[in-house]
This record gives sequence, structure tokens and C-alpha cells, in this order.
Amino acid sequence: GAVVSQHPSRVICKSGTSVKIECRSLDFQATTMFWYRQFPKKSLMLMATSNEGSKATYEQGVEKDKFLINHASLTLSTLTVTSAHPEDSSFYICSAPGLAGRGTDTQYFGPGTRLTVL
Amino acid sequence: AQSVAQPEDQVNVAEGNPLTVKCTYSVSGNPYLFWYVQYPNRGLQFLLKYITGDNLVKGSYGFEAEFNKSQTSFHLKKPSALVSDSALYFCAVRQGGTASKLTFGTGTRLQVTL
Repeated sequence: GAVVSQHPSRVICKSGTSVKIECRSLDFQATTMFWYRQFPKKSLMLMATSNEGSKATYEQGVEKDKFLINHASLTLSTLTVTSAHPEDSSFYICSAPGLAGRGTDTQYFGPGTRLTVL
Repeated sequence: AQSVAQPEDQVNVAEGNPLTVKCTYSVSGNPYLFWYVQYPNRGLQFLLKYITGDNLVKGSYGFEAEFNKSQTSFHLKKPSALVSDSALYFCAVRQGGTASKLTFGTGTRLQVTL
């Protein structure tokens, strides 16, 4: 089945530094990927839609200058948390839609990245 | 706008008993409905989906869900719960094609005890 990977799985950084998270579709191409943030009380919030070759579409209330998204190829999207602060600590999850031609009609999720900002 | 409600924060059930995790949705047009499961510190795993066809959908690990259009519900069920089913369950709705965004419910924690 379709697989989506994320790297790193866990990162700890100092306040003020930037952190890059990678999301890869391993055996299929994804012109669209989604980035979610999961809060401690478990709700999953869509942050942005990453589009290959064009600008990401951010959800209302998400700071595009803080959460930089780049979708440089059909298999890779990156989320960079710039000037991270403790309130950015969270679990970040990406997903990519399955291809209709593969007989699938769902999104495949990465394993998530735990970000801790000290 | 589309939305999903999972009214139960947690569901407790004894192993061997049937379980139900509730989900209601709101969407204009035909809904695409999904259930995902999340284990601690892991991403979401797909369980099952309703796109069209039979209202009763069967998925992974013995789970099933029933689409009820009149009640706008898509409850997740399993005839006999296992301790290993203990996890966080998310219902989600999508309006449109595969590349459309999913809207998730707040999640329901299922706790199965011996």
C-alpha cells in the first residue's frame, strides 16, 4: 500500500531556532500534501495544503511566515517552523491523497513528528 | 462548510463486548466519510471509508461503520472488542475528490479492559 514517511520523528530545539520537517510519499507521486498539527487534547488541525510547484494554501489563523511550506517535487513537501517558540511544541503530521487510478480514495498519513521547543 | 462531531470524549468497554464510537457530520452535497485510528505517538491509520453504495461498510481489524443519511451519522462499530483496540479514533468527512481536505472530529479515546 501507499506509504508516507516523515523525518525526523522527534526533534528538540532551542527557542528561536528553525526546524525543518520532511514529508515524503515513498511509492507514489503527490501533487498535493496536507500538514496537520495535533494538540495535546488530541484534536487534529489542518494547517495548510501543500501544492507541488505553487504556493501553499494556509488555513485561517495559521501564520504563513512562521510555518513555511515548500513542495519542491512530486514526492517531497517540507514544513519549516521558523523562530520556534515553546508554544510551537506539538505533534505535526503530514498526509498525501491516494491516487484514484490505484483504486484508492483516501489520504495516507505519515507517522508524525514530535517537536519540542525548549 | 463541513464539520464532524464526535460527542464522546472517551468510550469504555469490556473485552468481548460490542463497541460503538459515535460520529455525526455536516456537509453540503454527498459526503465522503472516513474512520482513522491513532496509537500513541503514531500517525493515523486508515480503518474504513464510505463513498457510495452499501450503507454498512466493513474495514480493517473487524471494524465496521454504518452510514445513515437521515441521521447524518457514521458510527463505528465492532461486535467484540479487544484490549488491543484501545486507541484514539477519528471520524473525518470530505466533500469532493481525493485531493480535497479532510475535516476531522475531535477524536474519541477507546479504552478496552479485561
